[in-house]
Amino acid sequence: AQKVTQAQTEISVVEKEDVTLDCVYETRDTTYYLFWYKQPPSGELVFLIRRNSFDEQNEISGRYSWNFQKSTSSFNFTITASQVVDSAVYFCALSGTNYGGATNKLIFGTGTLLAVQP
Amino acid sequence: DARVTQTPRHKVTEMGQEVTMRCQPILGHNTVFWYRQTMMQGLELLAYFRNRAPLDDSGMPKDRFSAEMPDATLATLKIQPSEPRDSAVYFCASGKDRANQPQHFGDGTRLSIL
Repeated sequence: AQKVTQAQTEISVVEKEDVTLDCVYETRDTTYYLFWYKQPPSGELVFLIRRNSFDEQNEISGRYSWNFQKSTSSFNFTITASQVVDSAVYFCALSGTNYGGATNKLIFGTGTLLAVQP
Repeated sequence: DARVTQTPRHKVTEMGQEVTMRCQPILGHNTVFWYRQTMMQGLELLAYFRNRAPLDDSGMPKDRFSAEMPDATLATLKIQPSEPRDSAVYFCASGKDRANQPQHFGDGTRLSIL
């Protein structure tokens, strides 16, 4: 069975602090994909990043960085120098490769609410 | 930027009424998903289409929910009869049929059943 665990329910930081959001996953697939989505207070879900199971290279995009470690089944997300606009719920998600490798359903974690205080 | 369009954005109705939610996927996307978000269950998949054919609707209560794609530009999710426990935000997402291209979500329909 596939499962995504985000153990941190809520995190509160002060602006300019760095913050790491944890994500641990379970899957029996050898090929799978991991995602992060952001849900700001307005409610929409915004795609942030996708990684495949064969690419463990860390990725950096501006103040965002992602650390993928297959050995610990983790895909953690770090925001450097956090800003108030980063306040949102962040979801980690997992998909496998059923249906001939087509886009597959997402298994979401329960989300982490990040509050960045000014 | 192309977006997934969902209507209505908000819906309040009484128990027992039929509810229809609509979704226009991004042009060129041939996979469409319906998710439901509640405080208790989080985000869960209800139904999944590829090239308009349903692939997985195991997450959907079959007795009252139905999902269809009458054409490539329209997906619908119906609830009949609606119940208070159906109150949630319903998201539609679309994607390309390639090795797990990201799904792009609409803004959701916030449904309240009184």
